[in-house]
Amino acid sequence: SAVISQKPSRDICQRGTSLTIQCQVDSQVTMMFWYRQQPGQSLTLIATANQGSEATYESGFVIDKFPISRPNLTFSTLTVSNMSPEDSSIYLCSVEMGDYGYTFGSGTRLTVV
Amino acid sequence: TQLLEQSPQFLSIQEGENLTVYCNSSSVFSSLQWYRQEPGEGPVLLVTVVTGGEVKKLKRLTFQFGDARKDSSLHITAAQPGDTGLYLCAGETTSGTYKYIFGTGTRLKVLA
Repeated sequence: SAVISQKPSRDICQRGTSLTIQCQVDSQVTMMFWYRQQPGQSLTLIATANQGSEATYESGFVIDKFPISRPNLTFSTLTVSNMSPEDSSIYLCSVEMGDYGYTFGSGTRLTVV
Repeated sequence: TQLLEQSPQFLSIQEGENLTVYCNSSSVFSSLQWYRQEPGEGPVLLVTVVTGGEVKKLKRLTFQFGDARKDSSLHITAAQPGDTGLYLCAGETTSGTYKYIFGTGTRLKVLA
């Protein structure tokens, strides 16, 4: 299965600012997925990122708030823009590895103050 | 919209006890996965079930996919403190987009 390096692991940010989260995969993958996880809760899919095309966003998530880049087959970024305390959450990237299921990064714990 | 409800939401048991976690939906899924997540880490895949009625065993863990592919269960025999964590089921949608919907989660604590 793939290994994903995600950073930063945590950050505390002022409201109104933006944070960019990076994910680096040790192998080439077609699709990368970005999830949000409220503390102690389950995962909600934000968007699917394919290399060379615009990300596909799920209901309730928009590109202006969560712009995503996918410049190549091993890297993606998610930006949380104009943050408010309601954006405080854990953000996870993942890749789908066939029979190995999803592999996840270790997550970014974001606190907005 | 496909939803996955897990029960119980929280479970605290003594070491050595058995437990079952349920994952239910009114929708059909192409496949279903179970993950365990520990604090500060991403979820880690435990198993994938694909065929209705399928049963898979992983040491003390037994996973079953419902005949109609709408539900699943995870049974742990003789639970150990190392089993503590958040258990998540995830169903692959039938829309052909390789997209998974995650269940509501079951937080398990096994006391020594």
